[in-house]
Amino acid sequence: AQSVTQLDSQVPVFEEAPVELRCNYSSSVSVYLFWYVQYPNQGLQLLLKYLSGSTLVKGINGFEAEFNKSQTSFHLRKPSVHISDTAEYFCAVTLYNFNKFYFGSGTKLNVKP
Amino acid sequence: GAVVSQHPSRVICKSGTSVKIECRSLDFQATTMFWYRQFPKQSLMLMATSNEGSKATYEQGVEKDKFLINHASLTLSTLTVTSAHPEDSSFYICSARDGGTSTDTQYFGPGTRLTVL
Repeated sequence: AQSVTQLDSQVPVFEEAPVELRCNYSSSVSVYLFWYVQYPNQGLQLLLKYLSGSTLVKGINGFEAEFNKSQTSFHLRKPSVHISDTAEYFCAVTLYNFNKFYFGSGTKLNVKP
Repeated sequence: GAVVSQHPSRVICKSGTSVKIECRSLDFQATTMFWYRQFPKQSLMLMATSNEGSKATYEQGVEKDKFLINHASLTLSTLTVTSAHPEDSSFYICSARDGGTSTDTQYFGPGTRLTVL
């Protein structure tokens, strides 16, 4: 079975500071990895995804994530956050057929002025 | 990018009534659509997967007769919560997978907040 762990439920950070949101996964087979962002009372928006190739993936809004197979991690980073980045971020994995997505419990990023 | 809409965005109903939620893919054909449920401060849990023209596949623990799913066309899937009770109050989110060029990504709708009184 697959599972996703987001250890930090909340991450407070000051504007223009760097941030890292952690994601670890467990799977006995190869998976594909995704990060989604959810603004209040809205659905999920895709930030970035790792399917294959370079382990460093760049997404929208200046976010990037690095796939580390040995550590089964896919941490999300941004060098300088903005107030508008305040939202909840979900890490997810799926298998080869891209059907069932397994989501982490989410990390609320709170960017303070 | 691909757009998925949901209607209504919010619905309040009395206990015992049925509520229908629509999920539409606006600019692509969705061969597969998914329905998720999100409880407060929790992550999304997949309820069911629906393929156009066939019966939905429900996840373990999800009542088929309570959550009726219909995927009548390549752009529309509906979720009907029958005989709703307060414990059905939740945020329901649909997603759709593009059967064409972006088969690896699910595009999510904005969600429907259901409150059952």
